[in-house]
Amino acid sequence: QSVLTQPPSVSGAPGQRVTISCTGSSSNIGAYYDVHWYQQLPGTAPKLLMYRNKNRPSGVPDRFSGSKSGTSASLAITGLQAEDEADYYCQSYDTSLSGVVFGGGTKLTVL
Amino acid sequence: QVQLQESGPGLVKPSETLSLTCTVSGVSITSYYWSWIWQPPGKGLEWIGYFYYSGTTNYNPSLKSRVTISVDTSKNQFSLRLSSVTAADTAIYYCARHNSYNYEGLDYWGQGTLVTVSS
Repeated sequence: QSVLTQPPSVSGAPGQRVTISCTGSSSNIGAYYDVHWYQQLPGTAPKLLMYRNKNRPSGVPDRFSGSKSGTSASLAITGLQAEDEADYYCQSYDTSLSGVVFGGGTKLTVL
Repeated sequence: QVQLQESGPGLVKPSETLSLTCTVSGVSITSYYWSWIWQPPGKGLEWIGYFYYSGTTNYNPSLKSRVTISVDTSKNQFSLRLSSVTAADTAIYYCARHNSYNYEGLDYWGQGTLVTVSS
């Protein structure tokens, strides 16, 4: 049972827009800690995709965007491409645990 | 270019202690927070613990009684020890760097190393 809750899977056709939600609580996202997102392609290490809620590291296409409100955050992917098929994880910090927390991960399937 | 590389035995016997090392190049480990993360086969990411070179460490409460993270600044390495392992500890283990503080994102990751617990 992950501290942050994500849908297990989402899917979309090429060119479409999908969103992945990440729900936390008052001890993490709601405590004003930022949310970060990772993309994990099959057989590879996770890669930082979005940091501090809505900032893209260099090299990440602007098709990816992030937002945060209250105790939740979202990752949106527009213009879906086959190469976006991967697992996506959200991450924040939890004051109760005094540590890093991850969502359970969302598998994105490009139809 | 920042690089992280995990190393250690790929097979550990039940009840023994798992030991892994993360070698960092391209940046000093005294400048950031660093974490260990694990991922059981087919499952999600879970944080094990982090440290700062000054001695600050914190561990996932679910593992706290069995985990120790230590650092060797002279070698620019940090290590993970997990005691009394069971099959449930079989996982890919990653080391990663926080982009400054412990609540920041993990911007550099090692490639991961699979550790299997089996007799």
